[in-house]
Amino acid sequence: GQSLEQPSEVTAVEGAIVQINCTYQTSGFYGLSWYQQHDGGAPTFLSYNALDGLEETGRFSSFLSRSDSYGYLLLQELQMKDSASYFCAVSRTDKLIFGTGTRLQVFP
Amino acid sequence: DTGVSQDPRHKITKRGQNVTFRCDPISEHNRLYWYRQTLGQGPEFLTYFQNEAQLEKSRLLSDRFSAERPKGSFSTLEIQRTEQGDSAMYLCASSIGGNSYNEQFFGPGTRLTVL
Repeated sequence: GQSLEQPSEVTAVEGAIVQINCTYQTSGFYGLSWYQQHDGGAPTFLSYNALDGLEETGRFSSFLSRSDSYGYLLLQELQMKDSASYFCAVSRTDKLIFGTGTRLQVFP
Repeated sequence: DTGVSQDPRHKITKRGQNVTFRCDPISEHNRLYWYRQTLGQGPEFLTYFQNEAQLEKSRLLSDRFSAERPKGSFSTLEIQRTEQGDSAMYLCASSIGGNSYNEQFFGPGTRLTVL
């Protein structure tokens, strides 16, 4: 089987930095993606790692280590609007296999 | 084009009834995906199309579920003889496709409630 595990909830204050981890038990995937989903909203794409290492997109960075079966999403300069659920997902053939999701709550 | 659209946004039905959902992808996208999401969980892959061809279907998908994309544009997902366990958000996504990774753009979803 294949599974992606994430912490269920993370809390932080505005302006802080938070890291959301994703550990997986799967192989043969193309890359690791991250999606954001606000309550009642659609998932929206944040970042993608095809290769090991760090990808930076504005306030968000994502990291992948295939040898450690591990990735993370780093959110900097947190804002209230970052309160949402975050999902890691592996690309297998053309479909996405999503993780369990992490609910981020940002406090003032 | 403002993105992926889905219709209806909400559907309440009684157990045993058939329901059909529609998805209109972004116009230049040739790949279309259906996912199902229950509360507190990540989206779960159901099936996907490249143009009008259905290329993969989840083993979790029972025979009561069928999807079509007859002209390679919009798609429909039909659930026959609905059960209470079918209650979920049904998400549609589309992507450009090709050999390299392309992000998927999700629609707002259809929330199904089976009574």
